[in-house]
Amino acid sequence: DAKTTQPPSMDCAEGRAANLPCNHSTISGNEYVYWYRQIHSQGPQYIIHGLKNNETNEMASLIITEDRKSSTLILPHATLRDTAVYYCIVRLFGYDKIIFGKGTRLHILP
Amino acid sequence: EAGVTQFPSHSVIEKGQTVTLRCDPISGHDNLYWYRRVMGKEIKFLLHFVKESKQDESGMPNNRFLAERTGGTYSTLKVQPAELEDSGVYFCASSQDVGNYGYTFGSGTRLTVV
Repeated sequence: DAKTTQPPSMDCAEGRAANLPCNHSTISGNEYVYWYRQIHSQGPQYIIHGLKNNETNEMASLIITEDRKSSTLILPHATLRDTAVYYCIVRLFGYDKIIFGKGTRLHILP
Repeated sequence: EAGVTQFPSHSVIEKGQTVTLRCDPISGHDNLYWYRRVMGKEIKFLLHFVKESKQDESGMPNNRFLAERTGGTYSTLKVQPAELEDSGVYFCASSQDVGNYGYTFGSGTRLTVV
């Protein structure tokens, strides 16, 4: 079963930052937070992952709260191509298979 | 590098027939995964290969599904006989290390059983 809770949908204006929240209150100390997305008709795409420090790559930033019970994925300048379902996943690094939940359907509005 | 390749991209078969899906992982990736998304449902894990060995097949729905990975390279997923509820999109993913950054997914095979 998925160990995370995400809002079912969100809207964001094109060009603005999209902030996608995720609750993972039962996360254990050796579990990582991963984010994937699925753009319509494509396979899921890895975005970013982290343990406790904030992380940034060319696609997004991941902000994890100090207690690690929640996190936020930030797409700094959302474009129409970022319209997708975003999945927040908690996983033991190097061990667990990825388990997808329902995710958040992000709509980027022109 | 070439990505994960799946074929066919679409398949329409009649109930009771057999279908074989193929996945070519990224070269050098020992880990290969199969997932499935049935319409309206979440993406579900099916199984995980490490090289040619099945590491975890806990998600395989029943014995009508048979997955193989010849020589630790490409993998096939055979459904025999196909049922209506097998319709969905089947995704394959690969990763170099179990603990590496993430899986690379293919574009999927859309299977329709009529």
